[in-house]
Amino acid sequence: SQQGEEDPQALSIQEGENATMNCSYKTSINNLQWYRQNSGRGLVHLILIRSNEREKHSGRLRVTLDTSKKSSSLLITASRAADTASYFCATRNSGNTPLVFGKGTRLSVIA
Amino acid sequence: DAGITQSPRYKITETGRQVTLMCHQTWSHSYMFWYRQDLGHGLRLIYYSAAADITDKGEVPDGYVVSRSKTENFPLTLESATRSQTSVYFCASYDSGGSDTQYFGPGTRLTVL
Repeated sequence: SQQGEEDPQALSIQEGENATMNCSYKTSINNLQWYRQNSGRGLVHLILIRSNEREKHSGRLRVTLDTSKKSSSLLITASRAADTASYFCATRNSGNTPLVFGKGTRLSVIA
Repeated sequence: DAGITQSPRYKITETGRQVTLMCHQTWSHSYMFWYRQDLGHGLRLIYYSAAADITDKGEVPDGYVVSRSKTENFPLTLESATRSQTSVYFCASYDSGGSDTQYFGPGTRLTVL
């Protein structure tokens, strides 16, 4: 069953605005990862945050993790049309257990 | 070419036929995975493998068979395809001793008529 649940399901913003996507999960985790999928392509890893971390940055990406609320957020700052894609959170419970993916947020950035 | 490849990229078949989707990775990653992606369901794990000759069921294994005789290959077989198996299939690999990043192939779009 799905572990992560992204919110919103779809998001449409203007170029230059910030985009925030949220992910909630059900059980304790070892780490949480965000992936991006362009239309018709495979998923590409964006960023990983471990259970003992609260915030992480990578370029225009900022990820937060709140283990007490079992939630994470992905912020994309100064969005570009090229950021248009679906974004998925995925959790790893422990060790080498398989990643479990949410259903994704579809982001549209309008130029 | 380095990376993870899938073949075929597109496949149309008929109900009841056997279909094999191929996955090949060049990194010698220990773990390999098969997911299916359907509207409204996101990615669901079908089978995974921790090493050659070791495979485990995922969330939706029924109707699928896998094997892993070599580290670099992880074929997925639909023994008797059904319409409900129409989907996009993604293979992925992961190095358990590395960065914890999972790498995905480009996907195979399968249509069962």
